[in-house]
Amino acid sequence: NAGVTQTPKFQVLKTGQSMTLQCAQDMNHEYMSWYRQDPGMGLRLIHYSVGAGITDQGEVPNGYNVSRSTTEDFPLRLLSAAPSQTSVYFCASRGLLYNEQFFGPGTRLTVL
Amino acid sequence: GEDVEQSLFLSVREGDSSVINCTYTDSSSTYLYWYKQEPGAGLQLLTYIFSNMDMKQDQRLTVLLNKKDKHLSLRIADTQTGDSAIYFCAGISSGSARQLTFGSGTQLTVLP
Repeated sequence: NAGVTQTPKFQVLKTGQSMTLQCAQDMNHEYMSWYRQDPGMGLRLIHYSVGAGITDQGEVPNGYNVSRSTTEDFPLRLLSAAPSQTSVYFCASRGLLYNEQFFGPGTRLTVL
Repeated sequence: GEDVEQSLFLSVREGDSSVINCTYTDSSSTYLYWYKQEPGAGLQLLTYIFSNMDMKQDQRLTVLLNKKDKHLSLRIADTQTGDSAIYFCAGISSGSARQLTFGSGTQLTVLP
């Protein structure tokens, strides 16, 4: 199993540009989520999904959209990037045994 | 919802024991977790403890849970330079969304 994969690893955007961060998992997990990590603030939940076709907002959803058309994929869209969205973004999926989360390697995004 | 707090920094000498502390607010948390993040990498699950346990030992790692004080600790015995990383505690509530809430992370530095 590849686990949770994310692309790209690095991205630089200009203010106002849009882009999609890709996330995929091959563990057949129903629950997937997106976090952003900023220095000294831990991980903050952006959006999550409890299954295909179902998404909901987390702690910091503004400026981000998600969709879940398949169990495997959970892309995160930035419609109009802002410097405040400069961060490291992690996608995760949740196992069923102990509710443990499996994290992707992260995408480091810089918005100029 | 859950609120999780950790101290930001800890330095220890190689070979000593490290103790990383965490406090949480949601007494209904069913599982509590410790994650490790090495530089430039995603989060890796180190260990977890179920809320009806007081202690769990896994090789060099010992997790202590004090439910009365809502205090969780991670002890690393014989700390090595490879243990230098950021350690996150996280809790999952028993609510319908079963969200995972992370502390801000403790940067462990192991000095030779």
